[in-house]
Formats: sequence, C-alpha cells, structure tokens
Amino acid sequence: AQSVTQLGSHVSVSEGALVLLRCNYSSSVPPYLFWYVQYPNQGLQLLLKYTSAATLVKGINGFEAEFKKSETSFHLTKPSAHMSDAAEYFCAVRGNTGGFKTIFGAGTRLFVKA
Amino acid sequence: EPEVTQTPSHQVTQMGQEVILRCVPISNHLYFYWYRQILGQKVEFLVSFYNNEISEKSEIFDDQFSVERPDGSNFTLKIRSTKLEDSAMYFCASRRDTGYEQYFGPGTRLTVT
Repeated sequence: AQSVTQLGSHVSVSEGALVLLRCNYSSSVPPYLFWYVQYPNQGLQLLLKYTSAATLVKGINGFEAEFKKSETSFHLTKPSAHMSDAAEYFCAVRGNTGGFKTIFGAGTRLFVKA
Repeated sequence: EPEVTQTPSHQVTQMGQEVILRCVPISNHLYFYWYRQILGQKVEFLVSFYNNEISEKSEIFDDQFSVERPDGSNFTLKIRSTKLEDSAMYFCASRRDTGYEQYFGPGTRLTVT
C-alpha cells in the first residue's frame, strides 16, 4: 500500500529564511507525488507534482521539490519565506488502485515570523 | 481557468437528517472524487467515480453514503442519516482521463448538531 509521512506537524521560520518541509513516501510502484497547499478556510491548491520526468520539480510561488528515490523522499523547499506562505502543506501520492485516489500525509503547518 | 465548484459552502443540519452536497467538476474531466477533512486532521479519501459507477471507495464510505452524477455537470454526495461525526469539510475533486493530478473544489463545511 502507498503512503506518505510528513515529518513535523509544525514548522516555524523567519521571513526570508529557507523553508524545508519534509516528506517521505512508501510505494510498491514508481510513485506520482504531489504537494498541495491549504490556506485557512480554503480548499487545496496544487503546488507541484512529480510524474517521473525531472527529479527536481518547480512549482508555483517559488516552491520546488526534489524526488530522491534512494531516500524515498520528496521534500519541499523555498529559498526565502514570505509571510503569505503561512499555510498548511500536504504531501500526497497517487494511489495505484481503482480510480487512482490521492493519499495525503498528515500535513505540516508552516508559520512565518516577521 | 476552469475550476471545480461546490455548493453550499457551509451547511448546518441536525443529526439524522439527510444532506446532499453538490459539486460541478471541470467540464472535460472524467474522474470524480469525494474526500473529507475532519477539523485538524488529514484529508481522507471517500470515493472515486468513473463512467457512471464507483471505481473505488474507502471503509468510511458505508451504506449511509451515496454518490450520483444526475446530469452532465453535477456530481453529488448524499449522506442518508447524518451523525455528529460526519461534521467535516468535504472536498470534491476531478481529474482528466490522462492527467495525474486532481483539481479540488473549495469544499463544503458540514456541521451536524
């Protein structure tokens, strides 16, 4: 069965600092991986996706993630945090049964300090 | 840019009542999904729907739940007799036939009192 594990339910950074949100996956087949962002009281917005092309994936709002098969990781980074980045971030993997559901991690809430 | 839309944005209902949550997926998408997120918890898969039938469902999706695509545009989730623990944000999502990612609606917050 596929799953993702997000390390750290809360991450706090200062404005302008590096953002690093960690995600490890488990999959019996080559995975398709995603990062979604959820702002307070809003829906889920796709930040970026890995679909077995380039291992370094660039997304919206300056975020990027690197797929590392040897480490089964798909960590999300942004060089310089902005106050508007404060949100909940979900790592997810596409299921490989039935309708190819999305399997979400528990989420990491990012706080950005001024 | 096309979006998934959901109505209502917030619904309050009494325990034991039936509710219908409505979604309009993106028009050329063929796979449709419902997920829920209990406050403070992760997003959980409920059901996927393709070619007018359920393609997969989770253990949460018991006999109290049903889905329907009553016409060419709407996709609904019905909860037959709501319980307090059904209180959650319900997200609809859709996907193209050949796409990898799902596009999510803004959600319906269901409050069961």
